[in-house]
Amino acid sequence: AQSVTQPDIHITVSEGASLELRCNYSYGATPYLFWYVQSPGQGLQLLLKYFSGDTLVQGIKGFEAEFKRSQSSFNLRKPSVHWSDAAEYFCAVAPSGSGGSNYKLTFGKGTLLTVNP
Amino acid sequence: SAVISQKPSRDICQRGTSLTIQCQVDSQVTMMFWYRQQPGQSLTLIATANQGSEATYESGFVIDKFPISRPNLTFSTLTVSNMSPEDSSIYLCSVEIAGGLTDTQYFGPGTRLTVL
Repeated sequence: AQSVTQPDIHITVSEGASLELRCNYSYGATPYLFWYVQSPGQGLQLLLKYFSGDTLVQGIKGFEAEFKRSQSSFNLRKPSVHWSDAAEYFCAVAPSGSGGSNYKLTFGKGTLLTVNP
Repeated sequence: SAVISQKPSRDICQRGTSLTIQCQVDSQVTMMFWYRQQPGQSLTLIATANQGSEATYESGFVIDKFPISRPNLTFSTLTVSNMSPEDSSIYLCSVEIAGGLTDTQYFGPGTRLTVL
């Protein structure tokens, strides 16, 4: 069965500092990979996704993520954090395969990001 | 993407009662999903709801506890039946939208349920 590990439960950074949120997955092949963000009282918003091709993926709000097959990782990065980035971030995986249906999303437990002024 | 709304946004309920949560999408979608997010936990898929067929439940979830309706391609409901405090969670619906190489799930704002 697939699984997702987000090692950091809570991260605090200063506004303007760089950010990296870690995500490791366990799956027999290369899965589809996603990062979602959940702001307080809000639903989940898709930041970016990886299906194939270029291993560096650009997303919304200045975020990017890099897929590293050898490390089974899909870490999320942002060069300069804004106070509005404070939220909870979830990494998710879905089985790859023909047809492209990825409804079997498996989520990590999330990383809560606090941004200090 | 899609605009997804849920009602109610939050509710406080008594033990033993039931609550029906509505999910409305602004476009027709084939696949809709219901997730549960327990306090401090990640999201867990409850069931997949396809129009015109019975919902498919994940391991640990049963129809008697979480009956789902999917009357058309833009609407679904999830009922949490005979509630207990352990059902206190955020319940989210999502839809699958085709695009690019494969499909992507988009989520509603969630319904925050507290059971006393």
